[in-house]
Amino acid sequence: AQSVSQHNHHVILSEAASLELGCNYSYGGTVNLFWYVQYPGQHLQLLLKYFSGDPLVKGIKGFEAEFIKSKFSFNLRKPSVQWSDTAEYFCAVKDGATNKLIFGTGTLLAVQP
Amino acid sequence: DTGVSQDPRHKITKRGQNVTFRCDPISEHNRLYWYRQTLGQGPEFLTYFQNEAQLEKSRLLSDRFSAERPKGSFSTLEIQRTEQGDSAMYLCASSSTSAQNYGYTFGSGTRLTVV
Repeated sequence: AQSVSQHNHHVILSEAASLELGCNYSYGGTVNLFWYVQYPGQHLQLLLKYFSGDPLVKGIKGFEAEFIKSKFSFNLRKPSVQWSDTAEYFCAVKDGATNKLIFGTGTLLAVQP
Repeated sequence: DTGVSQDPRHKITKRGQNVTFRCDPISEHNRLYWYRQTLGQGPEFLTYFQNEAQLEKSRLLSDRFSAERPKGSFSTLEIQRTEQGDSAMYLCASSSTSAQNYGYTFGSGTRLTVV
């Protein structure tokens, strides 16, 4: 069965620190991977997605993620975080047949000014 | 139509009551999904529709839950005889089957509290 694991449940960083959030997936078909962000009190927003091609994907707000097939990983990175990046981050894999998303449990990021 | 709309935003109900939520997807999207999110967890898939047909239901969707999308546009999710364990955020999303337009968009959700 498809699954997504996010090993960092709660991350606290100071502004300007670099960020890397881990995501590992288990899925036997063609992999489509996503990172979503949920700011406090807001709905889920797409940060970036990988469908095919260049495994280094750039998203909004300076985020990027690298798809490493051999490691079944799709880690999210940002070189310098801001206080406004405080949010919960979810990694997800898409079921190719139905388009439904399988989410990880999320990582709560708190950025201290 | 700028996004997925869900109504109500919040619902508090007594245990044993029935509740119904509504989702209005992006108009050109033919697929509609329902998810449930509890504290500390990612959204969990409940069910999805392609046009008016309900094509898949998760085992999380007990027989107290029913979803409809009668005309292939808006959808409703009804929970009968609510239990405290039903307290969660219920999310709706829509997407297009067009390969050129991923367009998977979430609504703001309906937060259900069963007391």
